[in-house]
Amino acid sequence: AQKVTQAQTEISVVEKEDVTLDCVYETRDTTYYLFWYKQPPSGELVFLIRRNSFDEQNEISGRYSWNFQKSTSSFNFTITASQVVDSAVYFCALGKVYNFNKFYFGSGTKLNVKP
Amino acid sequence: SAVISQKPSRDICQRGTSLTIQCQVDSQVTMMFWYRQQPGQSLTLIATANQGSEATYESGFVIDKFPISRPNLTFSTLTVSNMSPEDSSIYLCSVAHQETQYFGPGTRLLVL
Repeated sequence: AQKVTQAQTEISVVEKEDVTLDCVYETRDTTYYLFWYKQPPSGELVFLIRRNSFDEQNEISGRYSWNFQKSTSSFNFTITASQVVDSAVYFCALGKVYNFNKFYFGSGTKLNVKP
Repeated sequence: SAVISQKPSRDICQRGTSLTIQCQVDSQVTMMFWYRQQPGQSLTLIATANQGSEATYESGFVIDKFPISRPNLTFSTLTVSNMSPEDSSIYLCSVAHQETQYFGPGTRLLVL
């Protein structure tokens, strides 16, 4: 079965704090994609990152970093020095490589960054 | 990345009426998708729309309620028919492009 779990429903931090959003997935596929999306209050879903299952290298983009660990089936997302503009709902998703209409979203984590 | 636009961005409708949502992408894509996001919930796939063939609907969604058109490789429409308050949601279209799904800005629908 394919499943994505985001156990943190809502997180509140104060500006400049670091915050990590957890994502745990389940799949029987040997190759797959993992994604993170940001949904600000405006409602648009903004693509942040895609990871292929055979590339476990961590990635950093500015204040954002992602830790992919196949051994624990996790793909966690860290925001360093959070800002108010980071306030949004963040979704982790699992995608099948050869059947791209099969996209499995987590339930989302709402991040509130307070000034 | 693919740039996607949707019309309308939001609407308030009366129950029993229908609304057609348009989705336009700036490049030709094979696969387009329609999702529903109910308030405070995650995304649920309604159907996959491929050009030149009937849309493929997910369990719980039927063509009579959510007819979809896909006349070419850059455009699709989703109609929400005979609306009820339970249809109040954000409707998002997305496209598969370069091994990623990109999403439109969404259509916020409120049914009274």
